[in-house]
Amino acid sequence: SSELTQDPAVSVALGQTVRITCQGDSLRSYYASWYQQKPGQAPILVIYGKNNRPSGIPDRFSGSSSGNTASLTITGTQAEDEADYYCNSRDSSATHVVFGGGTKLTVL
Amino acid sequence: EVQLVESGGGLVQPGGSLRLSCTASGFTFSSYWMYWVRQAPGKGLVWVSRINRDGSSTTYADSVKGRFTISRDNAKNTLYLQMDSLRAEDTAVYYCARGNIVVVSGSGYSYYFDQWGQGSLVTVSS
Repeated sequence: SSELTQDPAVSVALGQTVRITCQGDSLRSYYASWYQQKPGQAPILVIYGKNNRPSGIPDRFSGSSSGNTASLTITGTQAEDEADYYCNSRDSSATHVVFGGGTKLTVL
Repeated sequence: EVQLVESGGGLVQPGGSLRLSCTASGFTFSSYWMYWVRQAPGKGLVWVSRINRDGSSTTYADSVKGRFTISRDNAKNTLYLQMDSLRAEDTAVYYCARGNIVVVSGSGYSYYFDQWGQGSLVTVSS
């Protein structure tokens, strides 16, 4: 199975734009999905597919992909966006599921 | 409203067994692949197992293969995880999640989890 690599921590000033990245060989074959998790809560899906947002997710969240790297961008970051963010995909064999190690986003 | 509700967690001694359940409502349970994902205290999300729609195909992470068994009862809208030979490193919150897939025209697939339960804590300790 392959791995997905994320930066452990990222910070952003309130109202600014932040990009969280996820790297892995399997991302050349499959699109990543992205999850937000706040302390003590279950994860919630924020981006899937090429750049799809589930109902209820603000349009400041967007996704993109290039080669072996997927990115989650938050434009006009709000205080409530402070959370852990995880990327996810299949591994290259398509039989196993992999998660990135997570990125802790701090809003300054 | 779509809901996934886990139950069955608790404290168990090393080498012991526990069975988690995940009861689904608000959607056609038998139409979806289902997954278990766990999160050790202070750590990240880790996939544990998956099962197809009718229960005929299952897959496991290497760390639990041979010890955990995933199953489902579509008549009861319930997903299960039987956990045997438990180890301290299995201590985690266990989430059930609904799997989905979208085909991106001309460029591939995206597999994702669009619904999650609230989690059930399993503690393995003597």
